[in-house]
Amino acid sequence: AQTVTQSQPEMSVQEAETVTLSCTYDTSENNYYLFWYKQPPSRQMILVIRQEAYKQQNATENRFSVNFQKAAKSFSLKISDSQLGDTAMYFCAFIPKWGGNKLTFGGGTRVLVKP
Amino acid sequence: NAGVTQTPKFRILKIGQSMTLQCAQDMNHNYMYWYRQDPGMGLKLIYYSVGAGITDKGEVPNGYNVSRSTTEDFPLRLELAAPSQTSVYFCASMFGQGSDLAYEQYFGPGTRLTVT
Repeated sequence: AQTVTQSQPEMSVQEAETVTLSCTYDTSENNYYLFWYKQPPSRQMILVIRQEAYKQQNATENRFSVNFQKAAKSFSLKISDSQLGDTAMYFCAFIPKWGGNKLTFGGGTRVLVKP
Repeated sequence: NAGVTQTPKFRILKIGQSMTLQCAQDMNHNYMYWYRQDPGMGLKLIYYSVGAGITDKGEVPNGYNVSRSTTEDFPLRLELAAPSQTSVYFCASMFGQGSDLAYEQYFGPGTRLTVT
């Protein structure tokens, strides 16, 4: 069974600064997908970024980028130039590529962007 | 595309009442999911379906039932509502393997349910 751990329950950052959220996972699979989801106060779950394990290059989406370290089973999310609208819960998630039919979510990290 | 839609948005139930939460998707996704999210917590999987006519339990299925008669719809039934079922319920869907968009789950806006 896979597990996903987010060790930071809460983080705060000043507007325009950078914050990094950590995520580690445990799996015996070699090929899988990792995701970061954002849940703002509206409660809508929004996919932020996706990483495929067999791709060496770290994924980026505008101000969001990941540092994927496969050997260390680490998948951190960096938010650059933080904006007030980035205030949200962030969930890391894992699914194996072959035979995977359920996401395994981490417990979440609450990010507060301060003006 | 409307994506994943859920109805109702809010509902208050009395203890012992029953109701069905509706979920529909128009993306031709084969996989669909029901989650619950208690205040300040993460998502817990209730039930999921890998295709029409196929459903399976998640980690918290007790007190709920599902059916999947079509690809588009995946209703969640609450029988004999209890205060412990007060939560926000999310439906989600995704393509399985074989698609370039495989495994990206898309979520509905949620249904906030209160049982008193």
